[in-house]
Amino acid sequence: NAGVTQTPKFQVLKTGQSMTLQCAQDMNHNSMYWYRQDPGMGLRLIYYSASEGTTDKGEVPNGYNVSRLNKREFSLRLESAAPSQTSVYFCASITLDEQYFGPGTRLTVT
Amino acid sequence: AQSVTQLDSQVPVFEEAPVELRCNYSSSVSVYLFWYVQYPNQGLQLLLKYLSGSTLVKGINGFEAEFNKSQTSFHLRKPSVHISDTAEYFCAVIEGTGNQFYFGTGTSLTVIP
Repeated sequence: NAGVTQTPKFQVLKTGQSMTLQCAQDMNHNSMYWYRQDPGMGLRLIYYSASEGTTDKGEVPNGYNVSRLNKREFSLRLESAAPSQTSVYFCASITLDEQYFGPGTRLTVT
Repeated sequence: AQSVTQLDSQVPVFEEAPVELRCNYSSSVSVYLFWYVQYPNQGLQLLLKYLSGSTLVKGINGFEAEFNKSQTSFHLRKPSVHISDTAEYFCAVIEGTGNQFYFGTGTSLTVIP
């Protein structure tokens, strides 16, 4: 089944801890995206990758790093989590004809 | 950078009344436009999209939107809403020459019985 898988679904971190959110797509799309969703602010673009091996900053990249090691996978890393990074994170694999979103990761940083 | 503006953060409307959710974008180049719906605690679902052709686009659940290039708008409409339409609605845009897919801040539609 075509789609985007995202792990984990839930995570609680303490301030200063690190973690990596994993995302994978099986549609052979070039472009993949990471968003965060916060109440009243919609989905804000953190980073995107137009093709394997390339990444670019979006609207809110500070505090995050990404890695696109192959066409299928696009990971998001928080090196030192802060309470301001408490959010729901969505990965997406998007072309003009097809747009797939992962189920989201609910992250709480205490 | 591209931006998407949804002026109305909350829209209450009575059941069976018409509704319009507004979306404006800032771009001088060609764009592709999308509307998504998000029900509580769920992911995003595509309602409709404009890529080219007719400026009036029909989507799922009785929604439609009209692309107006001169006004840089892509407003979403439904002639008669149901309780089940209560949800968050997001407008999104991607430039024809770019890869960045931007969302608006969302409009919370509440249908009142």
